[in-house]
Amino acid sequence: GAVVSQHPSWVICKSGTSVKIECRSLDFQATTMFWYRQFPKQSLMLMATSNEGSKATYEQGVEKDKFLINHASLTLSTLTVTSAHPEDSSFYICSASRRENEKLFFGSGTQLSVL
Amino acid sequence: KQEVTQIPAALSVPEGENLVLNCSFTDSAIYNLQWFRQDPGKGLTSLLLIQSSQREQTSGRLNASLDKSSGRSTLYIAASQPGDSATYLCAVTDDQGAQKLVFGQGTRLTINP
Repeated sequence: GAVVSQHPSWVICKSGTSVKIECRSLDFQATTMFWYRQFPKQSLMLMATSNEGSKATYEQGVEKDKFLINHASLTLSTLTVTSAHPEDSSFYICSASRRENEKLFFGSGTQLSVL
Repeated sequence: KQEVTQIPAALSVPEGENLVLNCSFTDSAIYNLQWFRQDPGKGLTSLLLIQSSQREQTSGRLNASLDKSSGRSTLYIAASQPGDSATYLCAVTDDQGAQKLVFGQGTRLTINP
């Protein structure tokens, strides 16, 4: 099956710094990738849809200037949490599919802790 | 706005029992419904995907049903094993591309040896 690789698995950073998370589709091309956030004991919430070669589409309530998404190639999307604060501490996970109407494959997630 | 609810939030059963996890959604206009498994601190594994035109899907000891009109789905796990312990998530998509998922909060399942 298709593999989505996400790095890093976990990261601890100081408040005010920026953190970059990478999401790669290893054996397929993904025109679209999705970024989710999951707070403890809560559901995964879609943050944004990442489109190769164009701007990301953000869900309501998600600050696009804080969560920068770049989808520079058909196999790589990055999420940068800028000027991170403790309230940004969460589990971030990406997903991708090979084509529309096909099931999504998920990365292993990134646990971000901001001190 | 679509909302997905899963009941119960947590479930603990002895090994070998059959069990049912429940999922309900508020808007019946969905394209498909998926059940995922999530292990602590890890990503999601897709277990079963049911298209809106289907009533159920089976994979091994897992059987998922869908009653679109009533906004309900169940995941049946037969002969549970300790390795089944995980959080089970239900998600629906109601967009034409069937890509944007709306998740429930999950059921945390523990199978006791």
